[in-house]
Amino acid sequence: DAGVTQSPTHLIKTRGQQVTLRCSPKSGHDTVSWYQQALGQGPQFIFQYYEEEERQRGNFPDRFSGHQFPNYSSELNVNALLLGDSALYLCASSSMTGAGNTIYFGEGSWLTVV
Amino acid sequence: GQQVMQIPQYQHVQEGEDFTTYCNSSTTLSNIQWYKQRPGGHPVFLIQLVKSGEVKKQKRLTFQFGEAKKNSSLHITATQTTDVGTYFCAGPENTDKLIFGTGTRLQVFP
Repeated sequence: DAGVTQSPTHLIKTRGQQVTLRCSPKSGHDTVSWYQQALGQGPQFIFQYYEEEERQRGNFPDRFSGHQFPNYSSELNVNALLLGDSALYLCASSSMTGAGNTIYFGEGSWLTVV
Repeated sequence: GQQVMQIPQYQHVQEGEDFTTYCNSSTTLSNIQWYKQRPGGHPVFLIQLVKSGEVKKQKRLTFQFGEAKKNSSLHITATQTTDVGTYFCAGPENTDKLIFGTGTRLQVFP
């Protein structure tokens, strides 16, 4: 039973570039949330996807966008990268219809913007 | 918006000593969740508390949810080096969005 998988694990980008991060939820889960975790801070909610639609959005600019595919996997896109976008990006998987609603986090994608 | 604070920010203990972290929300929570994040790792779900005044135990870990459902605590008895990491509480702002606390980083010296 595969857990939450994210790719890539580490990447370095230059200011102004664009990045795409990918997430496959845990088997049986249909909901994907994305979080940004800056060094020394707690995760901050970016947005959540369910049924291929964005359900809720945190306090992040439009440079952050996402998508969910029919197989429940998801992408996070960040345009016009800034130095301050350097962080660990976490994908969280859950089931909107399942009991318990335990949230599982992937190992994250470490993004460094130089 | 909802804010979740944790104290202390850091705690260094000798192995065998007890440890407690406290979590306070600016709003009443439907539930409180606790996560552990090892250095360089990702948050791992520990437990969810739902009822007012609820107390749950996991081996050496004791979790409490306050009567007003605005605060919570995690107590570790007789810490071990494997307990090292950052402990986060998190409360849902709604069904879709988890607000994480500021975290307490625990260091255990052998």
